Amino acid sequence: DAKTTQPNSMESNEEEPVHLPCNHSTISGTDYIHWYRQLPSQGPEYVIHGLTSNVNNRMASLAIAEDRKSSTLILHRATLRDAAVYYCILRGTGGTSYGKLTFGQGTILTVHP
Amino acid sequence: SQTIHQWPATLVQPVGSPLSLECTVEGTSNPNLYWYRQAAGRGLQLLFYSVGIGQISSEVPQNLSASRPQDRQFILSSKKLLLSDSGFYLCAWTSGRVGYNEQFFGPGTRLTVL
Repeated sequence: DAKTTQPNSMESNEEEPVHLPCNHSTISGTDYIHWYRQLPSQGPEYVIHGLTSNVNNRMASLAIAEDRKSSTLILHRATLRDAAVYYCILRGTGGTSYGKLTFGQGTILTVHP
Repeated sequence: SQTIHQWPATLVQPVGSPLSLECTVEGTSNPNLYWYRQAAGRGLQLLFYSVGIGQISSEVPQNLSASRPQDRQFILSSKKLLLSDSGFYLCAWTSGRVGYNEQFFGPGTRLTVL
């Protein structure tokens, strides 16, 4: 599986935008970029995913570089409830991928009031 | 709507005892099912996945096993627990094999082996 690289931790203030970067230089043409987050003592929660174009949903935006070797998860206005570990994951669509997710260490996001 | 259940929520077991964790999914049919483990720290490790009844694939060698006796039931077992089996066990499901479907996680079981 192609790997992703994320900063170990980031900090933000409440109600400010947060840009969480992810590098995936070995991404293949059929890999989708997925983001999940995990709050303490809970299972991961889906945030957003994309393939080539930028994506927006109610939780966040995903900006994908033109060469697809990096992406950025954007939280437009961070709240205390956004404090979590954020995982950037490449998810293959090949016949043997079976939708498996390979989690890295993720980025610990701390939000200050 | 779809829901995923796991039980028990917490479990404390002695070394060498057996284990059975259960996961069930409601509101969908023929899901892909997954067992993950999260040891101390942050990363989740995929242990098993299943694309259908009786079909189990193992990702890492270990003393755990999985079974899928029914379409929406996934069971994680061990005959003899080790200290290293302690962790947070998560069950998840997704529909189909395509890469764009989101994966839904259960609430997890926190296992402590003493």
